[in-house]
Amino acid sequence: SQQGEEDPQALSIQEGENATMNCSYKTSINNLQWYRQNSGRGLVHLILIRSNEREKHSGRLRVTLDTSKKSSSLLITASRAADTASYFCAFVNAGNMLTFGGGTRLMVKP
Amino acid sequence: NAGVTQTPKFQVLKTGQSMTLQCAQDMNHEYMSWYRQDPGMGLRLIHYSVGAGITDQGEVPNGYNVSRSTTEDFPLRLLSAAPSQTSVYFCASSLLISTNTGELFFGEGSRLTVL
Repeated sequence: SQQGEEDPQALSIQEGENATMNCSYKTSINNLQWYRQNSGRGLVHLILIRSNEREKHSGRLRVTLDTSKKSSSLLITASRAADTASYFCAFVNAGNMLTFGGGTRLMVKP
Repeated sequence: NAGVTQTPKFQVLKTGQSMTLQCAQDMNHEYMSWYRQDPGMGLRLIHYSVGAGITDQGEVPNGYNVSRSTTEDFPLRLLSAAPSQTSVYFCASSLLISTNTGELFFGEGSRLTVL
């Protein structure tokens, strides 16, 4: 069974709006990562946040991490149609296993 | 750089057949792993390796074998294919997964159908 869950499972917004995706996990972690997957392609790494960090930015991406609540969020600001993809959180828990959440399917309408 | 290369991209098997999915990376990464992706299930870890000669089981290892004889290659073997193994398989590598730079690099996937 997966150790991570994401919500919402699907999100549809208009271009220019912000998109927020949430990830929850169950164990202590070393770091938490977010990946993007375009339809029919492999996953691409977006951003990594360490367990001792609370917030991180990369371009239009903002990631927060709350280890007390075992949760993270990914915010995409000023979304574009090209942001349409599935987004996954992933984290290293015990040992060397990187576990993925179920993903959020984002659709950005032009 | 080619990054992570998976072959074949598509494969159709009959129940009981065996096959090997190939994965190669040219980034000198120590960590390599195989995931399967099923609709609504996200990605589940099958097997992983932290270096040549070292492999370990992930979340769903049954029905699959791996070996790591070189740093570059990490083949996944299906011993006796079953319809439940119909999935998209991804190979991924990383410099070292447990560090704060443990970014995974993914191949483009291998779509397997077992009839």
